[in-house]
Amino acid sequence: EDQVTQSPEALRLQEGESSSLNCSYTVSGLRGLFWYRQDPGKGPEFLFTLYSAGEEKEKERLKATLTKKESFLHITAPKPEDSATYLCAVQAGDSNSGYALNFGKGTSLLVTP
Amino acid sequence: DSGVTQTPKHLITATGQRVTLRCSPRSGDLSVYWYQQSLDQGLQFLIQYYNGEERAKGNILERFSAQQFPDLHSELNLSSLELGDSALYFCASTPGTHQETQYFGPGTRLLVL
Repeated sequence: EDQVTQSPEALRLQEGESSSLNCSYTVSGLRGLFWYRQDPGKGPEFLFTLYSAGEEKEKERLKATLTKKESFLHITAPKPEDSATYLCAVQAGDSNSGYALNFGKGTSLLVTP
Repeated sequence: DSGVTQTPKHLITATGQRVTLRCSPRSGDLSVYWYQQSLDQGLQFLIQYYNGEERAKGNILERFSAQQFPDLHSELNLSSLELGDSALYFCASTPGTHQETQYFGPGTRLLVL
């Protein structure tokens, strides 16, 4: 069965203190790994898709990387507005079974001034 | 703003009742996915529709059903509601049925008393 585990569950950083969030996964036939940001009571907001080991994507202070077993979301010099829950999801499946996302439980990030 | 709309934003009802949640996908998207997010389970896939037809099923209870209409909006029907059905319900849409990025709506918060 596909599994997605995110760590840590919660992370508190000082503004400017860089860190990484981890997403480890076991899935047969990975189609894509997705990172979303979710603010309290809101819908997940798409950040990145990674398709193959070695791939990296960047957006402002965020950088996502992918290996065969895990993905990292690196946050460089975070600001208080980066506070949110970061969700990792894997997409497996095929045209018959569909391409639903299997989510981890998220990392809740708090960045203090 | 993802372009996916959901109504109502909040819903409060009693056990045993039935409710209908509505989702309008992004313009041009044919696929709609429904997810449930509870505090202990995280985001769980329920069901997918593509161009009016059911394509994939996840952990959807028999008390729950969905449909997609010719104008491509989708409705999720929840019946015989229990306290444990209290959760955030999200829909997401994609252009087709392949491994595309899913864009999420703002969600409907359901509270069953």
